[in-house]
Amino acid sequence: DTAVSQTPKYLVTQMGNDKSIKCEQNLGHDTMYWYKQDSKKFLKIMFSYNNKELIINETVPNRFSPKSPDKAHLNLHINSLELGDSAVYFCASSQDLEDPGANVLTFGAGSRLTVL
Amino acid sequence: AQKITQTQPGMFVQEKEAVTLDCTYDTSDPSYGLFWYKQPSSGEMIFLIYQGSYDQQNATEGRYSLNFQKARKSANLVISASQLGDSAMYFCAMRDTQGTASKLTFGTGTRLQVTL
Repeated sequence: DTAVSQTPKYLVTQMGNDKSIKCEQNLGHDTMYWYKQDSKKFLKIMFSYNNKELIINETVPNRFSPKSPDKAHLNLHINSLELGDSAVYFCASSQDLEDPGANVLTFGAGSRLTVL
Repeated sequence: AQKITQTQPGMFVQEKEAVTLDCTYDTSDPSYGLFWYKQPSSGEMIFLIYQGSYDQQNATEGRYSLNFQKARKSANLVISASQLGDSAMYFCAMRDTQGTASKLTFGTGTRLQVTL
């Protein structure tokens, strides 16, 4: 019944490794997002996809590569992990409304990545 | 560029009292949406309330109300009759209406502690 589900919830890995976080939404929403929350709790958007098309790509190192196989899924792959990548990564989705300003984001539970 | 400012890193309130969490914003867009999210210690992001820039009335959702003062560019969250379960981080956010590329930009958050 979970609306936006992310896996894994916790990820501990060594520097230099490659890892992926998966996200799925069963809300029928058109747009999905990845946000990063750092140790100071600051939330910043990384990517946004609308119907599998990349529409927002903030200043993110190209070690981060999102992939959207269909509009219900948005995965995040990270190559060559660095210490600074340690954070909580949130997936979210929203329905496209006539007034885009009213689009409420529904968040997943977050995936805590720790790079050692 | 959008900017959201939350000047209160932490707030204390006694149980059953009301509390106001401050949020100011800056945007050149005539149409935008303002949101508040709650993040308890368990980490999930919970949508609380939404206010559209053209809404004439302040939004209310149960014990939450948004004190929207457009001329002052403020969107303060008022929680009435605080409960222990209200202890959490609270984030103010703004979304512009630039089509499907609109994004939700978050403030730095306020940590609310409800005491007995």
